Amino acid sequence: AQSVAQPEDQVNVAEGNPLTVKCTYSVSGNPYLFWYVQYPNRGLQFLLKYITGDNLVKGSYGFEAEFNKSQTSFHLKKPSALVSDSALYFCAVRDGGNTPLVFGKGTRLSVIA
Amino acid sequence: KAGVTQTPRYLIKTRGQQVTLSCSPISGHRSVSWYQQTPGQGLQFLFEYFSETQRNKGNFPGRFSGRQFSNSRSEMNVSTLELGDSALYLCASSFRTGPNYGYTFGSGTRLTVV
Repeated sequence: AQSVAQPEDQVNVAEGNPLTVKCTYSVSGNPYLFWYVQYPNRGLQFLLKYITGDNLVKGSYGFEAEFNKSQTSFHLKKPSALVSDSALYFCAVRDGGNTPLVFGKGTRLSVIA
Repeated sequence: KAGVTQTPRYLIKTRGQQVTLSCSPISGHRSVSWYQQTPGQGLQFLFEYFSETQRNKGNFPGRFSGRQFSNSRSEMNVSTLELGDSALYLCASSFRTGPNYGYTFGSGTRLTVV
């Protein structure tokens, strides 16, 4: 069965600094990896996904993620954080079959002005 | 186009009661998935439906059930509510099942059991 680990419950970063939100995964077969963001009292919004191809995936709002097969990681990054990036971030994985999307427990990002 | 619509947005129920939550997917989307979100457990998968058929089911007790109608709208029902059922219930739709298809989430129904 697939699983996702987000090792940090909370990440704090100063506005303008680069940010990284970590994610590692476990899946049999090829992984299909996703990042979502959740703002207070809202559902999840899609940021980006990796299915195949380039290991660096670019997504919405200036976010990108790097797929590393040997380290089974899919860390979310942004070169320059904004206060408005403060939210809850979820990494998710599914395998190539019809299994459901499995989410990590989420990482709360706080960007301080 | 309209997004995923979940009704109601907020609900307060008493232990032992039952509740029905509704989800209307994006027009043209035929797959609907349900998740329970709690602070301690994160997002836990409940069910996935496609063309009125349950394709996947999570590890929840039989008190949790769901269905999908011919217009792709979906409902989930929780019977004999327990305090631990208090959570945000999220519905997500996609064009069809399969890993290539991304999910679009609704804003959720926040259920409080007292």
